[in-house]
Amino acid sequence: DTAVSQTPKYLVTQMGNDKSIKCEQNLGHDTMYWYKQDSKKFLKIMFSYNNKELIINETVPNRFSPKSPDKAHLNLHINSLELGDSAVYFCASSQGHDSGGVETQYFGPGTRLLVL
Amino acid sequence: AQSVTQLDSHVSVSEGTPVLLRCNYSSSYSPSLFWYVQHPNKGLQLLLKYTSAATLVKGINGFEAEFKKSETSFHLTKPSAHMSDAAEYFCVVSDDYKLSFGAGTTVTVRA
Repeated sequence: DTAVSQTPKYLVTQMGNDKSIKCEQNLGHDTMYWYKQDSKKFLKIMFSYNNKELIINETVPNRFSPKSPDKAHLNLHINSLELGDSAVYFCASSQGHDSGGVETQYFGPGTRLLVL
Repeated sequence: AQSVTQLDSHVSVSEGTPVLLRCNYSSSYSPSLFWYVQHPNKGLQLLLKYTSAATLVKGINGFEAEFKKSETSFHLTKPSAHMSDAAEYFCVVSDDYKLSFGAGTTVTVRA
């Protein structure tokens, strides 16, 4: 009954390879996100989709391409992996503003990517 | 642009003593503020959120935070630390869809 799930949990790969990380949420939320956490644990948003439409696209190399086949899934594909892509990638989802006017994001467990 | 500053990169407490994690925010209007916790090699868990309904917010696991507009602060406290509280804590401000995270505070708990 995991709310936001990611696969794989760990990913070790060589420089130059192409890899994908998958995210699924069963909360019925309309909005999904990808975040990157660097080695100093700093978290920064990369992308956000609302009902399969891209709404946030931060300054991210175009080697990173998000894909949302439906509103429950948001996958992240990375081409030509570089050493600097090593990080933890978190998926999150949210569903509009609550009664207090707050949009709360719920996070997946993370995917730990190591590029050698 | 909104931002948060966590004033302590590391806090060490003894088990059973109070915990205080300090956070100041910068926002041009009434912000949405959150505290998230990340245990080692785990994902981010929501501890509590400020919704403007009350300045003192109670969260999970005995944590609470107080919103002080005059001081632009949203400090997190717990009266009695437990070993399981050892983790990384993030203060977060929201600009609608976009979250801006503080740099994090590492909490260690001594037996």
